[in-house]
Amino acid sequence: DVVMTQSPLSLPVTLGQPASISCRSSQSLVYSDGNTYLTWFQQRPGQSPRRLIYKVSNRDSGVPDRFSGSGSGTAFTLKISRVEAEDVGVYYCMQGTHWPPTFGQGTKLEIK
Amino acid sequence: EVQLVESGGALVQPGGSLRLSCAASGFSFSSSWMSWVRQAPGKGLEWVANIKPDGSDKYCVDSVKGRFTISRDNTKNSLYLQMNSLRAEDTAVYYCARDPQFAAIDLWGQGTPVTVSS
Repeated sequence: DVVMTQSPLSLPVTLGQPASISCRSSQSLVYSDGNTYLTWFQQRPGQSPRRLIYKVSNRDSGVPDRFSGSGSGTAFTLKISRVEAEDVGVYYCMQGTHWPPTFGQGTKLEIK
Repeated sequence: EVQLVESGGALVQPGGSLRLSCAASGFSFSSSWMSWVRQAPGKGLEWVANIKPDGSDKYCVDSVKGRFTISRDNTKNSLYLQMNSLRAEDTAVYYCARDPQFAAIDLWGQGTPVTVSS
């Protein structure tokens, strides 16, 4: 299985400051159709996960534009330009290029 | 309203069986790949299984192969997960999810808890 490794696992951030989460895969996530199936999810405390970003950098409808995704091949990043209180939660990257789909361990974002 | 509502979670003894259900509404269920994803207490997310829109193809992870079966009834807009030979390590919240393409889930249910314990 493809191993997804996130860092850091804990991310204390001051309100209004930027935050960045790294996600690395053990194999390239480029599929034969040329797309890269790397997705980012947010899970707020006590809630179900919510998709933020799909295919590396496509932001979902309703997701604030302070969230952005980037990367290629085996290295990906989720950035939050200015952290707000509602961003507290756990962030997961997930690859869908190779079966089975696999998730990173999660990065817990908290307010410092 | 577009939503997924799971049911069927319970406390069950090791070796027991359970059937989870998921009722879909507000979208074209019969055109959608559907999945089950689980989350053990205090842990991360784990893909369990998915199924093609017409039910003709099904896939599950090795850890549940031979014990869990995913199925669907498009006439009832419902997804199911039959879980047999349950183990303590199957204890988790089980989420029903819509998968538009390559596991990029865009809709999650609220989850149903399964506890395997004597």
